[in-house]
Amino acid sequence: GAGVSQSPRYKVAKRGQDVALRCDPISGHVSLFWYQQALGQGPEFLTYFQNEAQLDKSGLPSDRFFAERPEGSVSTLKIQRTQQEDSAVYLCASSLSREGTGELFFGEGSRLTVL
Amino acid sequence: AQSVSQHNHHVILSEAASLELGCNYSYGGTVNLFWYVQYPGQHLQLLLKYFSGDPLVKGIKGFEAEFIKSKFSFNLRKPSVQWSDTAEYFCAVNARTGRRALTFGSGTRLQVQP
Repeated sequence: GAGVSQSPRYKVAKRGQDVALRCDPISGHVSLFWYQQALGQGPEFLTYFQNEAQLDKSGLPSDRFFAERPEGSVSTLKIQRTQQEDSAVYLCASSLSREGTGELFFGEGSRLTVL
Repeated sequence: AQSVSQHNHHVILSEAASLELGCNYSYGGTVNLFWYVQYPGQHLQLLLKYFSGDPLVKGIKGFEAEFIKSKFSFNLRKPSVQWSDTAEYFCAVNARTGRRALTFGSGTRLQVQP
């Protein structure tokens, strides 16, 4: 596609529900990142994939957060048993650079509200 | 661990005024530096980047930034702002080796009044 596509754009979940957020990176982009952006803050790193390999998951805040990219293209971020503090915009970004040093192209984000 | 500080949280300027947004980072090794911009209702996009070489880098839309290694700073400048520059600006850094993820500052909201 022309850019990074994320769905859903908006998600409201009741506390305790599981959610899945999808990211379609730019075709051919090797690197894929997930970020969490709380209101009034900058994006915070969650996890990084190089193709299908998850090379860095040090930013995932708890074991309720899980990400996958099984075929090296589309990625899913799953949050189990959502809590109110999970409310944020979840950003996906991709890069042509294998080393993650090139320009990152961001999607518009998925805004999660946990009630 | 890396950290990025943006001291100006909200800046209000009139059109044609000059802009300088501060960015300081903390990291012991060699870094790459970036400024990203988010216009209202749009996604984050790259404004400019510094990897090596001339510490004064020029980006899109007349923006420039200067890397001052001794001050761990990468301030963003524009000589004359326009109403269309109203946006949120994020400074970011990543390490040349090891962890590749960008560390972002908390952002500066710029409001340009016509």
